[in-house]
Amino acid sequence: GEDVEQSLFLSVREGDSSVINCTYTDSSSTYLYWYKQEPGAGLQLLTYIFSNMDMKQDQRLTVLLNKKDKHLSLRIADTQTGDSAIYFCAETLTGTASKLTFGTGTRLQVTL
Amino acid sequence: EPEVTQTPSHQVTQMGQEVILRCVPISNHLYFYWYRQILGQKVEFLVSFYNNEISEKSEIFDDQFSVERPDGSNFTLKIRSTKLEDSAMYFCASAPASSGNTIYFGEGSWLTVV
Repeated sequence: GEDVEQSLFLSVREGDSSVINCTYTDSSSTYLYWYKQEPGAGLQLLTYIFSNMDMKQDQRLTVLLNKKDKHLSLRIADTQTGDSAIYFCAETLTGTASKLTFGTGTRLQVTL
Repeated sequence: EPEVTQTPSHQVTQMGQEVILRCVPISNHLYFYWYRQILGQKVEFLVSFYNNEISEKSEIFDDQFSVERPDGSNFTLKIRSTKLEDSAMYFCASAPASSGNTIYFGEGSWLTVV
């Protein structure tokens, strides 16, 4: 079955770039997503990438996809304290009516 | 910006009681989902719903659970005879079409079973 893994914790200084990594096992993933969850809040869709792309940029966010290695990353430029949250990557597989499989989540801590 | 809304935001219930969690998906969306997140664990898929029927469900979604779209706007998750291990955050989500489209989540309903 599909499995999505992330490192649990990342600490960066304000103003630095953050890179959050994700690996997945199923090569039939069609879309890969990044969601942000602030304490006590819901899941906010940040960005997504189709599996035939290798990069997508959206303001401070850059998503890189290495389909050969099944590796996805989210880079946040100029990280701010408001970026402190848990970041989940998730995938959907072809033909599964958009059922999302989530990673374990990476807690990003931004320090001053 | 349209959003998925869920009620209640937090519910405490006694073990064995029935609970109904309510969701109002985004109005032009066609696919609806329930997920849950036990504290400190992954977000897990429960069920997807399309065209007034379940399209897929996980092994978690057993006979204790049911979903309904009673009036064309609400989408409910019913949990019969709740157990302690049902304590979790339950997220409703909706999408305008099937795989490949953006899936929007509500703020969640935190269920505590005591």
